[in-house]
Amino acid sequence: DIQMTQSPSTLSASVGDRVTITCRASQIISTWLAWYQQKPGKAPKLLIYKTSTLESGVPSRFSGSGSGTEFTLTISSLQSDDFATYYCQQYYSYSTFGGGTTVEIK
Amino acid sequence: QVQLVQSGAEVKKPGASMKVSCKASGYTFTSYYIHWVRQAPGQGLEWMGIINPSGASTTYAQNFQGRVTMTRDTSTSTVYVELSSLRSEDTAVYYCARGVGATYYFQHWGQGTLVTVSS
Repeated sequence: DIQMTQSPSTLSASVGDRVTITCRASQIISTWLAWYQQKPGKAPKLLIYKTSTLESGVPSRFSGSGSGTEFTLTISSLQSDDFATYYCQQYYSYSTFGGGTTVEIK
Repeated sequence: QVQLVQSGAEVKKPGASMKVSCKASGYTFTSYYIHWVRQAPGQGLEWMGIINPSGASTTYAQNFQGRVTMTRDTSTSTVYVELSSLRSEDTAVYYCARGVGATYYFQHWGQGTLVTVSS
């Protein structure tokens, strides 16, 4: 099974900050990676797929990059609506999620 | 618009089975795979498996092999997940999610169903 490791597990930031979350795969997954945002009590929401393709309706302050085994999600200027937990997911071989990164208010 | 509406919360005793439904609407039911993902309280997301509503073929995650069964009813555009021999560690929110083509990322999600396993 492919393991996905996210860092950090928690991130404290302020509105307007640039935020970067890292996701590492235990083996090469090409660019078969997605990112989701989840708020308490809600289902996850797709933000990015195929490493860097923004889902329709997702603000352009979100971006993704990487390939192989190392990937990043960047929020260029954090907004109040962005405080949430973020998960990466590989879909190169079935599906595995990272452990999540909670972005909290500093 | 695409909607996945799941059944309500359940409380089960250890050793029992659960069965959660997911009713799809807003698209051609047999054209998109449905996945099940669960999330234990305060924990991350865990993929359970996939069903092809067209031919009913399934693939299950290794962690659930032998305990999980996914089925579908094309007459009502509903998919089901059944998990047997429940233990306390199966307490979680269970989500159905629609895949995109043959890929395993999820564009649409159900609202989630909390299953609590407790004696």
